Amino acid sequence: SQQGEEDPQALSIQEGENATMNCSYKTSINNLQWYRQNSGRGLVHLILIRSNEREKHSGRLRVTLDTSKKSSSLLITASRAADTASYFCATMYSNYQLIWGAGTKLIIKP
Amino acid sequence: DAGVIQSPRHEVTEMGQEVTLRCKPISGHNSLFWYRQTMMRGLELLIYFNNNVPIDDSGMPEDRFSAKMPNASFSTLKIQPSEPRDSAVYFCASTLGGYTEAFFGQGTRLTVV
Repeated sequence: SQQGEEDPQALSIQEGENATMNCSYKTSINNLQWYRQNSGRGLVHLILIRSNEREKHSGRLRVTLDTSKKSSSLLITASRAADTASYFCATMYSNYQLIWGAGTKLIIKP
Repeated sequence: DAGVIQSPRHEVTEMGQEVTLRCKPISGHNSLFWYRQTMMRGLELLIYFNNNVPIDDSGMPEDRFSAKMPNASFSTLKIQPSEPRDSAVYFCASTLGGYTEAFFGQGTRLTVV
Protein backbone atom coordinates (compact mmCIF):
# COMPACT_ATOMS: atom_id res chain seq x y z
CA SER A 1 0.00 0.00 0.00
CA GLN A 2 1.17 3.52 -0.69
CA GLN A 3 -0.76 4.88 2.22
CA GLY A 4 1.11 7.22 4.52
CA GLU A 5 1.22 6.33 8.15
CA GLU A 6 1.29 8.88 10.89
CA ASP A 7 2.48 8.52 14.41
CA PRO A 8 1.57 8.99 17.06
CA GLN A 9 -2.15 8.35 16.57
CA ALA A 10 -2.85 10.73 19.43
CA LEU A 11 -0.79 13.33 21.24
CA SER A 12 -1.70 15.36 24.31
CA ILE A 13 0.60 18.16 25.47
CA GLN A 14 0.51 21.31 27.58
CA GLU A 15 -0.01 24.67 25.96
CA GLY A 16 3.33 26.22 25.13
CA GLU A 17 5.08 22.94 24.48
CA ASN A 18 6.19 21.78 21.04
CA ALA A 19 4.30 19.05 19.20
CA THR A 20 5.94 16.70 16.74
CA MET A 21 4.09 14.38 14.40
CA ASN A 22 5.63 11.94 11.95
CA CYS A 23 4.58 10.48 8.64
CA SER A 24 6.08 7.60 6.70
CA TYR A 25 5.39 6.39 3.20
CA LYS A 26 6.49 3.56 0.98
CA THR A 27 7.26 4.64 -2.57
CA SER A 28 8.78 7.67 -4.30
CA ILE A 29 6.69 10.81 -4.14
CA ASN A 30 6.43 14.12 -5.96
CA ASN A 31 5.51 16.00 -2.80
CA LEU A 32 4.15 15.56 0.70
CA GLN A 33 1.47 17.75 2.21
CA TRP A 34 0.24 18.38 5.73
CA TYR A 35 -3.35 19.30 6.55
CA ARG A 36 -5.29 20.19 9.68
CA GLN A 37 -8.86 19.22 10.42
CA ASN A 38 -10.84 20.78 13.22
CA SER A 39 -13.68 18.70 14.57
CA GLY A 40 -16.59 18.62 12.18
CA ARG A 41 -14.85 20.71 9.54
CA GLY A 42 -13.07 20.19 6.25
CA LEU A 43 -9.34 19.72 5.92
CA VAL A 44 -7.19 22.81 5.60
CA HIS A 45 -3.87 22.75 3.79
CA LEU A 46 -0.86 23.74 5.92
CA ILE A 47 2.37 23.08 4.01
CA LEU A 48 3.50 21.35 0.83
CA ILE A 49 7.09 20.12 0.65
CA ARG A 50 8.50 18.86 -2.63
CA SER A 51 10.67 15.78 -2.93
CA ASN A 52 13.77 17.90 -3.61
CA GLU A 53 13.23 20.00 -0.49
CA ARG A 54 14.39 19.07 2.99
CA GLU A 55 12.74 21.64 5.22
CA LYS A 56 10.00 24.26 5.07
CA HIS A 57 8.65 26.75 7.55
CA SER A 58 5.35 28.55 7.89
CA GLY A 59 4.87 30.60 11.03
CA ARG A 60 5.08 28.20 13.97
CA LEU A 61 5.10 25.18 11.67
CA ARG A 62 8.22 23.40 10.50
CA VAL A 63 8.13 20.44 8.14
CA THR A 64 11.06 18.22 7.28
CA LEU A 65 11.31 15.58 4.59
CA ASP A 66 13.82 12.73 4.46
CA THR A 67 13.37 10.92 1.17
CA SER A 68 16.03 8.34 2.03
CA LYS A 69 13.96 7.27 5.03
CA LYS A 70 10.66 8.00 3.29
CA SER A 71 9.50 10.04 6.23
CA SER A 72 8.39 13.52 7.17
CA SER A 73 7.77 15.35 10.40
CA LEU A 74 5.57 18.27 11.34
CA LEU A 75 6.68 20.38 14.28
CA ILE A 76 4.35 22.91 15.88
CA THR A 77 6.25 25.20 18.19
CA ALA A 78 4.81 27.03 21.21
CA SER A 79 1.49 25.21 20.90
CA ARG A 80 -1.80 26.97 21.60
CA ALA A 81 -5.22 25.65 22.53
CA ALA A 82 -6.38 26.57 19.03
CA ASP A 83 -3.92 24.03 17.58
CA THR A 84 -6.13 21.24 18.94
CA ALA A 85 -7.14 19.33 15.81
CA SER A 86 -6.34 16.26 13.75
CA TYR A 87 -3.32 16.51 11.48
CA PHE A 88 -2.99 14.51 8.29
CA CYS A 89 -0.14 13.92 5.93
CA ALA A 90 -0.84 13.22 2.30
CA THR A 91 1.65 12.01 -0.26
CA MET A 92 1.32 12.96 -3.91
CA TYR A 93 2.62 10.66 -6.58
CA SER A 94 3.46 11.07 -10.23
CA ASN A 95 -0.14 10.30 -11.19
CA TYR A 96 -1.32 13.36 -9.20
CA GLN A 97 -3.17 11.25 -6.67
CA LEU A 98 -3.06 12.18 -2.99
CA ILE A 99 -2.77 9.26 -0.60
CA TRP A 100 -3.79 10.02 2.96
CA GLY A 101 -2.60 8.81 6.32
CA ALA A 102 -4.92 8.06 9.22
CA GLY A 103 -4.05 11.27 11.03
CA THR A 104 -2.72 12.32 14.43
CA LYS A 105 -5.18 13.68 16.95
CA LEU A 106 -3.50 16.55 18.82
CA ILE A 107 -4.90 17.88 22.08
CA ILE A 108 -3.41 20.99 23.65
CA LYS A 109 -4.20 21.26 27.33
CA PRO A 110 -4.54 24.79 28.71
CA ASP B 1 -13.44 33.13 -4.03
CA ALA B 2 -15.82 31.42 -1.58
CA GLY B 3 -13.85 28.19 -1.62
CA VAL B 4 -15.27 24.76 -2.35
CA ILE B 5 -18.98 24.74 -1.63
CA GLN B 6 -20.86 21.60 -0.70
CA SER B 7 -24.53 21.09 -0.13
CA PRO B 8 -26.33 20.07 1.89
CA ARG B 9 -24.25 20.31 5.08
CA HIS B 10 -26.34 17.65 6.76
CA GLU B 11 -28.60 15.00 5.32
CA VAL B 12 -30.69 12.47 7.18
CA THR B 13 -32.49 9.95 5.05
CA GLU B 14 -34.16 6.60 5.33
CA MET B 15 -32.60 3.44 4.06
CA GLY B 16 -33.47 2.85 0.43
CA GLN B 17 -33.84 6.49 -0.48
CA GLU B 18 -31.77 8.25 -3.10
CA VAL B 19 -29.26 10.79 -1.84
CA THR B 20 -27.57 13.44 -3.96
CA LEU B 21 -24.61 15.42 -2.69
CA ARG B 22 -23.46 18.51 -4.54
CA CYS B 23 -20.15 20.27 -4.95
CA LYS B 24 -19.02 23.50 -6.54
CA PRO B 25 -15.22 23.58 -6.89
CA ILE B 26 -13.08 26.69 -6.80
CA SER B 27 -13.28 28.56 -10.09
CA GLY B 28 -10.31 27.75 -12.30
CA HIS B 29 -9.53 24.45 -10.59
CA ASN B 30 -9.48 21.54 -13.00
CA SER B 31 -9.34 18.54 -10.66
CA LEU B 32 -12.11 17.49 -8.31
CA PHE B 33 -12.10 14.75 -5.71
CA TRP B 34 -14.85 13.08 -3.69
CA TYR B 35 -13.82 11.58 -0.34
CA ARG B 36 -15.64 9.73 2.40
CA GLN B 37 -14.51 9.95 6.01
CA THR B 38 -15.48 7.60 8.82
CA MET B 39 -13.93 6.81 12.18
CA MET B 40 -13.30 3.23 11.14
CA ARG B 41 -11.79 3.78 7.68
CA GLY B 42 -10.46 7.32 7.81
CA LEU B 43 -10.38 9.37 4.62
CA GLU B 44 -11.13 7.32 1.50
CA LEU B 45 -10.89 8.59 -2.05
CA LEU B 46 -14.05 7.65 -3.93
CA ILE B 47 -13.47 9.21 -7.34
CA TYR B 48 -11.56 11.98 -8.97
CA PHE B 49 -12.12 14.04 -12.10
CA ASN B 50 -9.66 15.92 -14.24
CA ASN B 51 -11.12 18.49 -16.64
CA ASN B 52 -14.58 17.05 -15.90
CA VAL B 53 -13.54 13.53 -16.94
CA PRO B 54 -13.55 10.72 -14.35
CA ILE B 55 -9.98 9.49 -14.07
CA ASP B 56 -10.14 6.99 -11.25
CA ASP B 57 -13.34 5.63 -9.72
CA SER B 58 -11.79 2.54 -8.17
CA GLY B 59 -12.72 3.82 -4.73
CA MET B 60 -16.44 3.90 -5.42
CA PRO B 61 -17.79 1.22 -3.09
CA GLU B 62 -20.32 -0.35 -5.42
CA ASP B 63 -22.83 0.29 -8.13
CA ARG B 64 -25.08 2.15 -5.74
CA PHE B 65 -22.64 5.06 -5.95
CA SER B 66 -22.32 7.26 -9.01
CA ALA B 67 -20.67 10.61 -9.64
CA LYS B 68 -20.96 13.13 -12.43
CA MET B 69 -19.27 16.34 -13.38
CA PRO B 70 -21.34 17.90 -16.18
CA ASN B 71 -19.24 21.05 -16.24
CA ALA B 72 -16.23 22.64 -14.58
CA SER B 73 -18.26 24.26 -11.83
CA PHE B 74 -20.48 21.45 -10.59
CA SER B 75 -20.31 17.84 -9.50
CA THR B 76 -22.72 15.42 -7.87
CA LEU B 77 -22.31 12.22 -5.92
CA LYS B 78 -25.39 10.05 -5.86
CA ILE B 79 -26.20 7.06 -3.70
CA GLN B 80 -29.16 4.95 -4.75
CA PRO B 81 -30.40 3.13 -2.79
CA SER B 82 -28.78 4.37 0.40
CA GLU B 83 -27.89 2.03 3.27
CA PRO B 84 -27.02 2.69 6.93
CA ARG B 85 -23.36 1.78 6.26
CA ASP B 86 -23.16 4.74 3.91
CA SER B 87 -23.41 7.06 6.91
CA ALA B 88 -20.26 9.19 6.87
CA VAL B 89 -18.98 12.66 6.13
CA TYR B 90 -18.50 13.18 2.41
CA PHE B 91 -15.95 15.75 1.31
CA CYS B 92 -15.36 17.34 -2.03
CA ALA B 93 -11.97 18.87 -2.80
CA SER B 94 -10.54 20.67 -5.81
CA THR B 95 -7.04 21.48 -7.03
CA LEU B 96 -5.48 23.59 -9.71
CA GLY B 97 -4.16 20.39 -11.17
CA GLY B 98 -0.60 19.24 -11.33
CA TYR B 99 1.34 18.77 -8.13
CA THR B 100 -0.59 21.22 -5.97
CA GLU B 101 -2.53 21.29 -2.74
CA ALA B 102 -6.18 20.40 -2.33
CA PHE B 103 -8.89 22.71 -1.10
CA PHE B 104 -11.71 21.04 0.78
CA GLY B 105 -15.34 21.89 1.24
CA GLN B 106 -16.96 21.76 4.66
CA GLY B 107 -18.38 18.33 3.98
CA THR B 108 -21.82 16.76 4.00
CA ARG B 109 -22.67 14.69 7.04
CA LEU B 110 -24.89 11.88 5.81
CA THR B 111 -26.93 9.77 8.19
CA VAL B 112 -28.93 6.87 6.78
CA VAL B 113 -31.42 5.43 9.24
